Amino acid sequence: QVTLRESGPALVKPTQTLTLTCTLSGLSVSDTGMCVTWIRQPPGKALEWLARIDWDDDKYYTTSLKTRLTISKDTSKNQVVLTMTKMDPVDTATYYCARIRLVGPYIDSWGQGTLVTVSS
Amino acid sequence: EIVLTQSPGTLSLSPGERATLSCRASQSVRSDYLNWYQQKPGQAPRLLISGASSRATGIPDRFSGSGSGTDFSLTISRLEPEDFAVYYCQQFDNSIFTFGPGTKVDIK
Repeated sequence: QVTLRESGPALVKPTQTLTLTCTLSGLSVSDTGMCVTWIRQPPGKALEWLARIDWDDDKYYTTSLKTRLTISKDTSKNQVVLTMTKMDPVDTATYYCARIRLVGPYIDSWGQGTLVTVSS
Repeated sequence: EIVLTQSPGTLSLSPGERATLSCRASQSVRSDYLNWYQQKPGQAPRLLISGASSRATGIPDRFSGSGSGTDFSLTISRLEPEDFAVYYCQQFDNSIFTFGPGTKVDIK
């Protein structure tokens, strides 16, 4: 059974750096064809795609946030990590990690999401 | 970057009615690369349709997708109570994804 679980702080202060971790079960970040992505959703608003990392360590970012985002993976822990610098209250959102199936490509497995609030 | 627009923003219908949701792209999208997701309150999105018209595993046949180029649609032939939710289209281009703003289908 494939599961993804997000973890990280529920509250960060403006200007701080956010670090979120996605822990995978039932699949490996190193498996050929494995792609993991981060998506966020401000309360009551639409989904916003953020970043993607592939099994071969290729990385891709949304244009608007590219300078603030870093995605990486830790194969020993089977985790994908997203960092976002210079957090602002507008970054308050539920952050999801998810698996991309490249045969689509489409997103077929999602974590439950973690709510991050940016406030002083 | 391709921008997706969805209409209407909200669709108010009764159970049993037909729902037609539109997704329009700012430039042509490969049909293989256009997907639809359903999201209910407090839940993560769920894949409904991939490749513009292929239902995902376990998705009832009352859901159908169609379209090509810049115009795509999702149709729910007869709304069931569990179908009242927000629907997002999503495309893949140049190695990145974008989502549309969503259409909320609510009970009239």
